[in-house]
Amino acid sequence: GAVVSQHPSWVICKSGTSVKIECRSLDFQATTMFWYRQFPKQSLMLMATSNEGSKATYEQGVEKDKFLINHASLTLSTLTVTSAHPEDSSFYICSAISGNTIYFGEGSWLTVV
Amino acid sequence: EDQVTQSPEALRLQEGESSSLNCSYTVSGLRGLFWYRQDPGKGPEFLFTLYSAGEEKEKERLKATLTKKESFLHITAPKPEDSATYLCAVRSMFSGGYNKLIFGAGTRLAVHP
Repeated sequence: GAVVSQHPSWVICKSGTSVKIECRSLDFQATTMFWYRQFPKQSLMLMATSNEGSKATYEQGVEKDKFLINHASLTLSTLTVTSAHPEDSSFYICSAISGNTIYFGEGSWLTVV
Repeated sequence: EDQVTQSPEALRLQEGESSSLNCSYTVSGLRGLFWYRQDPGKGPEFLFTLYSAGEEKEKERLKATLTKKESFLHITAPKPEDSATYLCAVRSMFSGGYNKLIFGAGTRLAVHP
């Protein structure tokens, strides 16, 4: 199947700093990518839909100024957590559509200390 | 409102003991029902997509079936390496952007030797 890659796999940052997570589609072009957040033993919560060349669409309750999404090319979307706080610590996962299937990246663990 | 409910929440099996996981859904215009496997600390791995009632798909010890209200993931003679969380998701035609996946909470499967 199609490959979606995330980087970094894990990151630790200090409270108040910003951190960027990249999501790449390696063998296909993705006009749409999705960003999810997952807490331990819970399911995936959709944060936003990232559209190439246009603004992201955020789900209700997700702060767009805190979670900045940029989809500058057909193979790359980035999620920047701005002014991170310990409560932002979580597992962040991206996904992308290839054909009729949605494939997921390996996920990125964010720990804010 | 589109909704996905998975049961049981957790399932413990002995190696070789076949069983089924359930995914009940209500959706306005089904564009696909997806099954994923997720290992701890990893992104979901795509297993199957089903589109219409009566459809079945198989992969090794797994078989997915679909009716108008639910899907089953049958596991035949499971092995310890089948231990994971199995996620069900639906793609809706009408709810706010049809490319979104709405996930169930998952079934945590543990297969013991």
